[in-house]
Formats: sequence, structure tokens, C-alpha cells
Amino acid sequence: DIQMTQSPSTLSASVGDRVTITCRASQSLSHWVAWYQQKPGKAPTLLIYKASIVHSGVPSRFSGSGSGTEFSLTISSLQPDDVATYYCQQYNSYFPFGGGTKVEIK
Amino acid sequence: QITLKESGPTLVKPTQTLSLTCSFSGLSLSTTTVGVGWIRQPPGKALEWLALIYWDDDERYNPSLKNRLSFTKDFSKNQMVLTMTNMDPAETGTYYCALCPPFTGCEDWGQGMQVAVSS
Repeated sequence: DIQMTQSPSTLSASVGDRVTITCRASQSLSHWVAWYQQKPGKAPTLLIYKASIVHSGVPSRFSGSGSGTEFSLTISSLQPDDVATYYCQQYNSYFPFGGGTKVEIK
Repeated sequence: QITLKESGPTLVKPTQTLSLTCSFSGLSLSTTTVGVGWIRQPPGKALEWLALIYWDDDERYNPSLKNRLSFTKDFSKNQMVLTMTNMDPAETGTYYCALCPPFTGCEDWGQGMQVAVSS
């Protein structure tokens, strides 16, 4: 099974900071990775797919990059509305999620 | 506008079978090129992918759960049912269905429903 390892598990940053979350896969995934945002008590929402394509309606401060086994999600300027838990997901042949990264405002 | 909604029992006993229905509006499962995924989340924990079925009946299952999962599609009602056998209290949590077109991740999600496994 392909494992997705996210880091860090928790991140605290100031409003306006650039924030990066990393996801490492145990096997090469080409670019078949998606990123989701989940706010407390809500269903996840799709942010990024195919590693770097921003889903419709997602603010431009969110971006994704990577290929193979290492992927990242970047928030260019952290906003209070970005407080949430973020998950990566691979969708090569199976669809496991990473363990999540909780983003907080310092 | 596409909407999804999960329904089913909110409480099942250990070893019982759970059947969850995902109902769709705003699209037709019989004519749309999509996959329908099921995801769950124990309280305070990470998302766990359970299974996904594509419109062409290509079925993908979490390898650790494969023997306990099955799908039923009812295109006339625009519904899909996921069945999970031999439920355990550790599987208490929120269960989501989602629309997951090929190559784009899961774009639309249901609101989720709480399922408790307890005697």
C-alpha cells in the first residue's frame, strides 16, 4: 500500500506569513495528488488537484507543487479564514489521505 | 448545483452490518462520468478513504477493508449504497460520500453523517 506522510502535524504562524505543508509518498505518484481543507465540523473542500492545479473558486494564495514522491501545499499569505486542517490525498490507483496538518494563527 | 446527502442508521451494534446511502441531485449517475467515493473520520482523527466506484463499475477498495465492503447502485433513484460488514466500536465516526471525477480529486462532498457503533 502507498503511504502518505504529512508534515508538520501542527503549524502555528502569524497572519501574512508564508506557510508550506509537505506530503511524502512511499512510492512515486507522478502528479496524482490532491489537497483538501477541512474546517471544524465541516466536510473537506478540494483546494488543489493534479499536484498543482487550483480548483475553481479557491483563493489565489493557495498553490501546490511537486511530483513523484514529494508534494507541497503553500499558502502565500496566511489569513484568519485559513485556520483549518489540511490533508493530502493520492489518487493513483488507491486514494489514501495523509495524516493531516492543523494550521493555527499565532 | 450538485448536492450529495448521506443517510442511514446513526447507531449500529458491534458485528452488525452498516448500510449507508448517498443520494445525489443536480446530476445523473447514469450519464455522468464520475466516481463516487466514501470516506470516514473518527472523532478528532484524520480522514480515512474507504472505497470508490467509477461510472464504468471500476471499483476500488481500501485494501485493509476490501473484504467487508460492497456497493449497490440505483441509477433510477440517483443513489449509491455502501455496505460494511462486521462493524467495530473503533469505527464510530463521521461518514462522507463524495463525487470524485477521474483525475481531479473529490470535488463535491456530502455534509457527512455520524455513525456510532455501540452495544
